[in-house]
Amino acid sequence: NAGVTQTPKFQVLKTGQSMTLQCAQDMNHNSMYWYRQDPGMGLRLIYYSASEGTTDKGEVPNGYNVSRLNKREFSLRLESAAPSQTSVYFCASSEVGPGPYEQYFGPGTRLTVT
Amino acid sequence: GDSVTQMEGPVTLSEEAFLTINCTYTATGYPSLFWYVQYPGEGLQLLLKATKADDKGSNKGFEATYRKETTSFHLEKGSVQVSDSAVYFCARGAGNMLTFGGGTRLMVKP
Repeated sequence: NAGVTQTPKFQVLKTGQSMTLQCAQDMNHNSMYWYRQDPGMGLRLIYYSASEGTTDKGEVPNGYNVSRLNKREFSLRLESAAPSQTSVYFCASSEVGPGPYEQYFGPGTRLTVT
Repeated sequence: GDSVTQMEGPVTLSEEAFLTINCTYTATGYPSLFWYVQYPGEGLQLLLKATKADDKGSNKGFEATYRKETTSFHLEKGSVQVSDSAVYFCARGAGNMLTFGGGTRLMVKP
């Protein structure tokens, strides 16, 4: 049982390049999330998907797009990377319902944009 | 909007010292409250949670009590170990959404 997996673990991009961060979970969870973590700011929600086929913006969606490929996979795309997107990105998943349900986190992707 | 405020770190303690990390939250609605821990190079993992007023969450010697009157959920441990060195995040949950505090780094010295 791998839980939540993310690829890649590290990435360096030049300004203007694009890339997709991959996330998969094997816990049969309905909800999936993308966060970014910046020093002193905790985790901020970028996008989430309450269930397969739906996605919604979080607190900081600008410059990102997402795809809920199926129940297991939720990808985050940067179309034209900017230095302000240098951060650590975490994917998470949880069950849905009246809750509260724990969110399970992946190990993160450390992205540097130069 | 909803927010969580926790004490800034780093917090540096000697082994076996008493730990308190303060956390306050906005009282809109009836949130659940969580503490997550992040060890170096890893993702966050749930440490403990409380779902209603006066509930006490506990795990691995850590405790936190949901205080509605003071909108607080302070994390405590009676005797910290070097292995407790990590970043601790307080979070409030509404439905399936979490709002995180800024995190507090704890460093425990032998």
